[in-house]
Amino acid sequence: GAGVSQSPSNKVTEKGKDVELRCDPISGHTALYWYRQSLGQGLEFLIYFQGNSAPDKSGLPSDRFSAERTGGSVSTLTIQRTQQEDSAVYLCASSFLSTGSNNEQFFGPGTRLTVL
Amino acid sequence: GDSVTQMEGPVTLSEEAFLTINCTYTATGYPSLFWYVQYPGEGLQLLLKATKADDKGSNKGFEATYRKETTSFHLEKGSVQVSDSAVYFCALSDHTGANSKLTFGKGITLSVRP
Repeated sequence: GAGVSQSPSNKVTEKGKDVELRCDPISGHTALYWYRQSLGQGLEFLIYFQGNSAPDKSGLPSDRFSAERTGGSVSTLTIQRTQQEDSAVYLCASSFLSTGSNNEQFFGPGTRLTVL
Repeated sequence: GDSVTQMEGPVTLSEEAFLTINCTYTATGYPSLFWYVQYPGEGLQLLLKATKADDKGSNKGFEATYRKETTSFHLEKGSVQVSDSAVYFCALSDHTGANSKLTFGKGITLSVRP
């Protein structure tokens, strides 16, 4: 079956512009995660969605970052007023459950964001 | 907070050499431990995992044993192949509440020469 997909694969934007990154999780997966992979910081957790529960936003680096998940499926990560330090690869992952034996996270190919 | 420390890279080996990549962790409670691999041009994939002390995860000839006493999860392979060239990430999940977020090490690049 189809894996996790993300779009766009690459995004170049100017400092100060807003960007939206999209994630389509594997069908039927209830848990969805966003991570950021950058040269200086490695791979960092950003936000977690589980079903209809309130998201865990504890990893978001600033209030310029927000995310939503509509209908328990597709998720959008929005970065407002982008800064150069936001340049990174943004990874989305989904899992069938968040705990127990079915909690393996499957990763998408990522969106490479470059802020000029 | 939780953290994962991997040995510095990159690592270059000849085909059929023995591989060890060190990983140690700090966590509250009893985390699950993972090795993820990122092949060139591909996304992150789970390589192996262990969920409790003394468990051994294995896949594709790679092995790692969950050592609680040394808080380690070193990755080993007896004979590497060119196709093993990739970036390897050690990670943990501490199952705090329902969020099984992963905490990753910085990753290490492995290059295998023919």
